[in-house]
Formats: sequence, structure tokens, C-alpha cells
Amino acid sequence: KAGVTQTPRYLIKTRGQQVTLSCSPISGHRSVSWYQQTPGQGLQFLFEYFSETQRNKGNFPGRFSGRQFSNSRSEMNVSTLELGDSALYLCASSSAASGGAVDEQFFGPGTRLTVL
Amino acid sequence: TQLLEQSPQFLSIQEGENLTVYCNSSSVFSSLQWYRQEPGEGPVLLVTVVTGGEVKKLKRLTFQFGDARKDSSLHITAAQPGDTGLYLCAALAGGTSYGKLTFGQGTILTVHP
Repeated sequence: KAGVTQTPRYLIKTRGQQVTLSCSPISGHRSVSWYQQTPGQGLQFLFEYFSETQRNKGNFPGRFSGRQFSNSRSEMNVSTLELGDSALYLCASSSAASGGAVDEQFFGPGTRLTVL
Repeated sequence: TQLLEQSPQFLSIQEGENLTVYCNSSSVFSSLQWYRQEPGEGPVLLVTVVTGGEVKKLKRLTFQFGDARKDSSLHITAAQPGDTGLYLCAALAGGTSYGKLTFGQGTILTVHP
């Protein structure tokens, strides 16, 4: 089975621009979660999608948004980029078979976003 | 807000030494997971502990979940250079916290040959 894939792997943008990151989950997985990883804050939860619906959201401003398609692929968008948005953005997929209590999340390699 | 405090933040040891990483919280968790992350990669799940007092072993790695399900530890015996990486504890609060893992700050482990 192919793992979680994320594209692109690296991105350089300037302040004020917007960016879209893509995540393809493991085949059969219907849940996709997004995380931001920075040296200062560590890994922080952005949001989770299941069957095209956002079920959970972290404490990030409205500039961060996402969506999920019928094939479970997901995208996240960051508008009006700020320097502080520079980070590794990770997505993780899960089968969500048990309802979430102990479901294993499989992480992709991440997209490294640099905002200049 | 549920917080996971992980310690130490950095560990630099020689091959063959033993080490323990701690993960503590004031909150009770339905389960706790340990991940390892290498540069340029996403975290990879090592183990999930669910029951208070549970001990799980994975080769030279031993994981414990506290009786009250508020803390956990990872012990590595006879560390090897291949153990080098970022170790993260993470917890799912359960209930309606769909897909949301709360992570500790991580422990950067360097094992020197």
C-alpha cells in the first residue's frame, strides 16, 4: 500500500501571498488531519476532515482553511501569508475505523513552507 | 487545553547507554502514543498504550503508561546510533476530538558511535 503523499515537498512564498498544499491519504482511509510543526511550538493540530466534512479544528486563525474531496484527498490553504507561517506542514490519514479513540495516524513527509 | 510536558528536550549519549524520556500531563487521556521522527520525514508511530499501568516492549524500547493515565515513559536500553531522532509523545483526548493528537514538545536524541 502506498503511504501518505504530500505535494509539493518544498515551497517558498513571500508575505501576503496565498498557498495551497495537497495531501493524498492511504487508500481506504477517510480521515485526514493537518498539523503545523515549528521549532518553537512543536506539532500543532490544524483541522481534521472525514467524508468531506470538517469534524475538528485547532486554534488557528481563519487564514488557514482546508477541504476534502470525495476521494478523500485533502488540501489546505493559507491566505495572506505571514513570516510566522514558515513551518513544516504535515498531514496524517487514518481509517477512523474505531471512531477515533486509538486510531493510528499515518503521517506524510510534509511540505516545508518558507515565507520570505 | 490539554498539555503534554516532555523531558528532557535534548539527550546526547554514547552508544550502549540507557536513557528514559518522560511525558507528563495534568489531564487524563484515553490513550497515549509515542512517535519517532527523522529529518525530512513525518512522525512514525512506535506504540499506543491504552490501559493504566500498561507496559509494552518493542525490542530495546520499553513504554509505560501511568496508572492514572496522565503520564508515560519511554526507556531505551543499550542505545544505538540508529535510535537517533526526535521522539514525540502524543495523546488523543477521545470523545469528539476527532483526529486531534496533542503532542509534547519532543526529545531530540543523539546517539554517538
